[in-house]
Amino acid sequence: DGGITQSPKYLFRKEGQNVTLSCEQNLNHDAMYWYRQDPGQGLRLIYYSQIVNDFQKGDIAEGYSVSREKKESFPLTVTSAQKNPTAFYLCASSMGTGESYEQYFGPGTRLTVT
Amino acid sequence: AQSVTQLGSHVSVSEGALVLLRCNYSSSVPPYLFWYVQYPNQGLQLLLKYTSAATLVKGINDFEAEFKKSETSFHLTKPSAHMSDAAEYFCAVTRYSSASKIIFGSGTRLSIRP
Repeated sequence: DGGITQSPKYLFRKEGQNVTLSCEQNLNHDAMYWYRQDPGQGLRLIYYSQIVNDFQKGDIAEGYSVSREKKESFPLTVTSAQKNPTAFYLCASSMGTGESYEQYFGPGTRLTVT
Repeated sequence: AQSVTQLGSHVSVSEGALVLLRCNYSSSVPPYLFWYVQYPNQGLQLLLKYTSAATLVKGINDFEAEFKKSETSFHLTKPSAHMSDAAEYFCAVTRYSSASKIIFGSGTRLSIRP
């Protein structure tokens, strides 16, 4: 079955540590996205990538970094510079970057930093 | 610039009753509009999308939405609510820029009363 996998489902880290969230897709989609979701809020775009070896900052990129070395993979690193990293992180992909393309989402990773 | 507003952060209906979730958009160009559903601790799933082919859009699980340009609305409806419809629902509009991205509303939590 085609889809997006995110691992792990739950992640716990101590403050000051960097942590990397995994996102893999086997849909052969060109574009991939990372969102952050906080309680009672919509999704906020962190980073997106239209093609391998290229990515752009979204609305809240500070304290985060990404890479896109393979079409299938788009890992997100939450650095110690992110002031409030505890949140639900969602990865998504789309066939292309045309306006009508919907995004497909992974199951999410809940990160808790203490 | 595009934006989307969901009226009502929480809607509660009885099982078997009509479901109406409201969404208004702002766009200076013809929009592409989406409704997504999110079950607890899961990713988002596309319910339906509007791409100008027809103003009444039918989606999965008997949901439908009507695009009304004069009212800049894209409300989501379902004739008869089921307990399994309890979830968070997000309206979204495509953001036109150098790369296609989606702007999400803040979400409406739907509760179903037995």
